Order: sequence, then structure tokens, then C-alpha cells
Amino acid sequence: SYGLTQPLSVSVALGQTARITCGGNNIGSKSVHWYQQKPGQAPVLVIYRDSNRPSGIPERFSGSNSGNTATLTISRPQAGDEADYYCQVWDSSTSPVFGGGTKLTVL
Amino acid sequence: EVQLVESGGGLVQPGGSLRLSCEVSGFTVSSGFTVSSNYMSWVRQAPGKGLEWVSVIYVGGSTYYADSVKGRFSISRDNSKNTLYLQMDSLRAEDTAIYYCARVTTYNYFDTWGQGTLVTVSS
Repeated sequence: SYGLTQPLSVSVALGQTARITCGGNNIGSKSVHWYQQKPGQAPVLVIYRDSNRPSGIPERFSGSNSGNTATLTISRPQAGDEADYYCQVWDSSTSPVFGGGTKLTVL
Repeated sequence: EVQLVESGGGLVQPGGSLRLSCEVSGFTVSSGFTVSSNYMSWVRQAPGKGLEWVSVIYVGGSTYYADSVKGRFSISRDNSKNTLYLQMDSLRAEDTAIYYCARVTTYNYFDTWGQGTLVTVSS
């Protein structure tokens, strides 16, 4: 089955740029989606189809996907962006796959 | 605003059964959000762990399951009640998790999630 690899944690200082990676074999050929999950809450879609933002998601969230790595970028993250972030693809025709999740800390 | 509301979680002994429900709340004809006209899925999250897909039911009725639950869990829907179900049999300790229902778009991402219901399998 297809595997997605994310770093366990990413730390970023206020005013800097956070980049969370999602690695997978030729992931650039797939559509990647990203979810934000805060403690005690359900996941929320923040990026779909590699680089599209749903309504209501701030412009500081962006995404890219090429080769073997997809990246979620958060520009000038705020304290409220601290959360776990998950990437997701659809493997074959019947099975979605999630990455292991990355905990974002804003220093 | 359309919401997904799960229920049915609780404490169950190993080997036991439980049926989860996911009701579409706030539905209006204009929203078009019915369980019968959308791909609907269950995703779970064990305590302190990541997200794990469990099952999906397509518009045509086809169903698919993760290997970890195949043969033990069954997804279904009641179109008249606009409700999604997950029948869980032969439960194991490793099935302990928060279970979320979610809508899957035609582009294969989850755009609407319920708040989750906790299932605890323990003696």
C-alpha cells in the first residue's frame, strides 16, 4: 500500500515561514490534500488538490506538490495555527491514505 | 449550515458490537447534502495517534474497507433518514478511537467532518 511520510514536528518562530512536508513515491502525480486538527476538535480541510484553499482559510496557507514531496506552507504563522497537520491522497481507486501527522509549534 | 452529527459511541467489551450513526443536520433541499448523493466515509483516530481511514460508501452503493476492519465492520446508509451507519462487530482493544464521519468530494478529499464519537473497547 502507498505510504506518506511527514516529520513528527515542525517549529517556527513568529514572523517566519513554516513548511510541512509530505513524502511519497511520485506523489507529484497525485492530488494532495491537507487538514488541520486542533486538540479536541475534528480535522478541518485547509488545502485541497495540492494548492487550493477552501473558503474561509487564510491566504497565509498555501500548498505545492512535485516529484516525491508535497509541501504545506504557512506564511507568518500565528499562535492560533498551532495544530497537527495531516496530508492525504487517494491510493488506487478505493483507499484514502493519511500521513502520520505533523505537530506545528509557533515559538 | 449542514452538519454531520455522530452518535452511538461508548464502552464495549472485546468481542462485542456497536452501531455508530451519522446524521446530516441542517439539511436543505438547496444544499443537496444527502447521504445518498455523496460519497460518505468513516475515519478514526486512536488516542494520541493519527487519522486512519476506515470505510467508504459510494453513491452507487459500493463499499470499501480498510484491511484492519474488513469482515468485522459494515458501512450502510438510510436514505429516508439521511443517516450513515457503521456496524462494528467482533470489536478489539485496538478499535478504541474517536470515529468521525465525513463527506468525500468527487476529487477525493474530505470537506465536511462530524465532531466524532468515542468508542472504547475494554473489559
